[in-house]
Amino acid sequence: SYELTQPPSVSVSPGQTASIPCSGDKLGDKYASWYQQRPGQSPKLVIYQDVKRPSGIPERFSGSNSGNTATLTISETQAIDQADYYCQAWDTTIGAFGGGTKLTVL
Amino acid sequence: DVQLVESGGGLVPPGGSLRLSCAASGFTFSDYWMNWVRQAPGKGLEWVANIRQDGIETHFVDSLKGRFTISRDNNKRSLYLQMHSLRVDDTALYYCARDRATFGTGRDGFDLWGQGTMVTVSS
Repeated sequence: SYELTQPPSVSVSPGQTASIPCSGDKLGDKYASWYQQRPGQSPKLVIYQDVKRPSGIPERFSGSNSGNTATLTISETQAIDQADYYCQAWDTTIGAFGGGTKLTVL
Repeated sequence: DVQLVESGGGLVPPGGSLRLSCAASGFTFSDYWMNWVRQAPGKGLEWVANIRQDGIETHFVDSLKGRFTISRDNNKRSLYLQMHSLRVDDTALYYCARDRATFGTGRDGFDLWGQGTMVTVSS
């Protein structure tokens, strides 16, 4: 099975930039998606096809993907961004999620 | 409203079976690949399976092949997950999720999620 690895936690100060990496074998050759999950809520798509934002997602959210690492970047981080974030990709026809990263806005 | 509503979860003993349903509304259900994703209590997301628009092509995570089946009824705008030989480690909140691309390949992001239905496997 295809494995995606994320750090368990990332901390950031309000107004600063948070970067959450996701690593996997030749991940750059695949499309990566990112999801935000707040406590008690269903996941929400924030980035798809590496760099695209769904309608309604603030421009503060951006993505990149190259080599073995995809990265979710949140600029001007706000308290409402505190949540769990999951990367996701497809190994041919089988889906895989990263283990998730808890973003704390201190 | 565009939404997905799961149902069918509950408490089941080890070795038992359960059928989950997901009712879609507010969009053309038959245009989209559909997925099941689960989340064990306090744990991360795990992709379970998906099914093509016409219901003919399906894919599963390797660990669940043979115990779970996925199906859909486009006339009823519904997605199903039939689970057999349930184990304690199948305990999770089960979400249905829509692939974002209409007439897509089924390998995009999931842009619409239900609220989930809880499955608890315990004696």
